Amino acid sequence: DAGVIQSPRHEVTEMGQEVTLRCKPISGHDYLFWYRQTMMRGLELLIYFNNNVPIDDSGMPEDRFSAKMPNASFSTLKIQPSEPRDSAVYFCASSPSTGVYTEAFFGQGTRLTVV
Amino acid sequence: RKEVEQDPGPFNVPEGATVAFNCTYSNSASQSFFWYRQDCRKEPKLLMSVYSSGNEDGRFTAQLNRASQYISLLIRDSKLSDSATYLCVALSGGSYIPTFGRGTSLIVHP
Repeated sequence: DAGVIQSPRHEVTEMGQEVTLRCKPISGHDYLFWYRQTMMRGLELLIYFNNNVPIDDSGMPEDRFSAKMPNASFSTLKIQPSEPRDSAVYFCASSPSTGVYTEAFFGQGTRLTVV
Repeated sequence: RKEVEQDPGPFNVPEGATVAFNCTYSNSASQSFFWYRQDCRKEPKLLMSVYSSGNEDGRFTAQLNRASQYISLLIRDSKLSDSATYLCVALSGGSYIPTFGRGTSLIVHP
């Protein structure tokens, strides 16, 4: 298995532009997580899905952020409009649903810079 | 106050040293605990689970103290390759959604 695949790996965009981050989870994993990592705040959970359904989006910073999971093999995180304070590394992770937590497998992340 | 707190470090130790990190959690309902390792500019990866009785994996030992609500990671005979950030993770009962600490940076020098 190729693991969790994220694209793009790096994104540089101007303030006000729309940014879309993409994620392909590991096949068969029922949970998908979007995290944001910064030096100041560490790794923050933005939203997670179970069987393609958003369960908790309380970590999404504001209405400029939205996430979708149209099917079991694809998810997007969209920021519109982007702001410089959104600059961070965004990780997608997936894990199997076994009744107990085993491990979250992370993608390599998207390094976003908003100028 | 974050649910999971860690000393950010960095811990700067020579090769061969023994180093220990602690991590405190605020939610007494937390039931499962883990340590992840994150190399510079890489994604986090699971290092080991933390069991109530404590567990060991080679040079690494993890322990849980529920009364004081902390977990620890001990690394013996440090190697240069151990240099990384170590993230503590706690799961609250029922949700099984991991909460990560901000990580402790370890630098092992020759």
